Amino acid sequence: GENVEQHPSTLSVQEGDSAVIKCTYSDSASNYFPWYKQELGKGPQLIIDIRSNVGEKKDQRIAVTLNKTAKHFSLHITETQPEDSAVYFCAASKGDTGFQKLVFGTGTRLLVSP
Amino acid sequence: GAVVSQHPSWVICKSGTSVKIECRSLDFQATTMFWYRQFPKQSLMLMATSNEGSKATYEQGVEKDKFLINHASLTLSTLTVTSAHPEDSSFYICSAPRQGSGGELFFGEGSRLTVL
Repeated sequence: GENVEQHPSTLSVQEGDSAVIKCTYSDSASNYFPWYKQELGKGPQLIIDIRSNVGEKKDQRIAVTLNKTAKHFSLHITETQPEDSAVYFCAASKGDTGFQKLVFGTGTRLLVSP
Repeated sequence: GAVVSQHPSWVICKSGTSVKIECRSLDFQATTMFWYRQFPKQSLMLMATSNEGSKATYEQGVEKDKFLINHASLTLSTLTVTSAHPEDSSFYICSAPRQGSGGELFFGEGSRLTVL
């Protein structure tokens, strides 16, 4: 089955710096790669996602890149702010639209210091 | 606002009792819902896929008699932890895909179970 690895496990940056989180996946059939932000005691919230027919996607300060050949994808956060501090999870699936059996990475705890 | 709601958000129970957690899709119908378990500082582990009108599909290693799942309507799935023990203490999260959202999964706020 699919296996998703995520690095680093913790990341500390200064406010205004950029943060990059990387994930690799094992199943070449995976075609959907979302990123979630989870705050303490809450459920995950989708922040950005990318499908295998696209190499990069950007939404304001957040961007995701996908390298299908190498089977890795990355989350980029620019101009980080203290409210970006949270745990971030990558995930992968090969479900069709409307059915997403996700396999999650191990999570990255991001701390943005003022 | 939240599109998937879980209840209760936290529950404390005694060993041997059963606890029911509800997951509701608020403004859409969900024929499929997913239940996850998350230990402190760890990732989400898929427990089972809840299917409306049919039996749930459990992941390997998850005891179906321990974690009863019922998806009786298109907006409600329930997870019952039967004869709970301290090792069942965890954060349980549900999710549901909304048609027309590109397959995006919406997650509930989670339910923290503590078994004494």
